[in-house]
Amino acid sequence: RKEVEQDPGPFNVPEGATVAFNCTYSNSASQSFFWYRQDCRKEPKLLMSVYSSGNEDGRFTAQLNRASQYISLLIRDSKLSDSATYLCVVNEVTGRRALTFGSGTRLQVQP
Amino acid sequence: NAGVTQTPKFRILKIGQSMTLQCTQDMNHNYMYWYRQDPGMGLKLIYYSVGAGITDKGEVPNGYNVSRSTTEDFPLRLELAAPSQTSVYFCASSSQAGSVDGYTFGSGTRLTVV
Repeated sequence: RKEVEQDPGPFNVPEGATVAFNCTYSNSASQSFFWYRQDCRKEPKLLMSVYSSGNEDGRFTAQLNRASQYISLLIRDSKLSDSATYLCVVNEVTGRRALTFGSGTRLQVQP
Repeated sequence: NAGVTQTPKFRILKIGQSMTLQCTQDMNHNYMYWYRQDPGMGLKLIYYSVGAGITDKGEVPNGYNVSRSTTEDFPLRLELAAPSQTSVYFCASSSQAGSVDGYTFGSGTRLTVV
């Protein structure tokens, strides 16, 4: 089983749509969670951290369900500029002290 | 500009050749990482370092070596290049292992082994 699993997509949505991405992780000892954005042929960049209480940053809302080992990202009012790959990322504090990346979910927002 | 600098940006190697991918950061971060990303895949950890003089293997270390003689530099060495090492390599750094500020990535090195 992969440590971090995501639906690869692509998700093709019209501008203005609301889209949600899901992610599951296998290590229950994981303590930090993130969403990164990666544009084509570019390096990943931090979009937002994910907190247990859920958090919002403008049009983006992230939620964490520790019991189900599940993370989500909701994007409201999609823009063309949101087209990218969204990576679910988990930090495991036991063993390797490094982030583990999911394979990403590709989003294409269409005019 | 502060950040992580990787060189070269592109490289084509012949099978069996060796090379060093350079990575330098000027943020005084203790933690540094090397990841590889194959097409359509996520990033896989090759090696990481928690400070000068300390390195450890990640998920896919075979065929690679690293050193960390200074806080700033974390070079990745390929000794005998193989086609399976064709990938995009990203170096990253962070101030701590679980930093909520996340990682700062370099712009990547695109390596092709033929």
